Amino acid sequence: EVQLVESGGGLIQPGGSLRLSCAASGFTFSSYWMHWVRQAPGKGLVWVSRIKSDGSNTTYADSVKGRFTISRDNAKNTLYLQMNSLRAEDTAVYYCARATSGSMDVWGQGSTVTVSS
Amino acid sequence: QSVLTQPPSASGTPGQRVTISCSGSSSNIGSNIVNWYQQVPGTAPKLLMYSNNQRPSGVPDRFSGSKSGTSASLAISGLQSEDEADYYCAAWDDSLNGWLFGGGTKLTVL
Repeated sequence: EVQLVESGGGLIQPGGSLRLSCAASGFTFSSYWMHWVRQAPGKGLVWVSRIKSDGSNTTYADSVKGRFTISRDNAKNTLYLQMNSLRAEDTAVYYCARATSGSMDVWGQGSTVTVSS
Repeated sequence: QSVLTQPPSASGTPGQRVTISCSGSSSNIGSNIVNWYQQVPGTAPKLLMYSNNQRPSGVPDRFSGSKSGTSASLAISGLQSEDEADYYCAAWDDSLNGWLFGGGTKLTVL
């Protein structure tokens, strides 16, 4: 079964750091671009970042550029999102998603990040 | 504020046909494919339509997509209670160099 499972979310103070992980299974992880998408409470979906299959190319939304870093370990079938200098507006459920045919065809269940003092 | 504009809500009775619109610009919908996602509250989004009008395996043919110029639309025919969900359009934006999602449309089946 193709599956993505996020972990690493939690409550963090403003200015703090957190690293999310996304464990992939059931497919050849190293062949796919991957995305992070977030959703603030009661709000819509917002794309955060993407990374090429081999990790050589990354792209970020302006709202997180310079603060967040996407990376992957293909040997461990795991995607990461390092989040630094966190702000209240970063509070959201963070989803990882697989990229296929110009779409996001498989999504994880999400990991909740709450930035609050 | 999303650059892809969707109506915040839509509704219909069982069996009816409902259409959800998504309006963009030349840098996104006008030059790139559109995808649609369905999200039942409290669950992860699900890919509903890709490349403007292609249904992933398992998506009923009651769902159809189209694109014209800088706008796209999702049509649902034979509306069913299980279709009650939030629907999002998405497209790559060449100017922003990133993916855009519409603000979402909450579909209510009356």
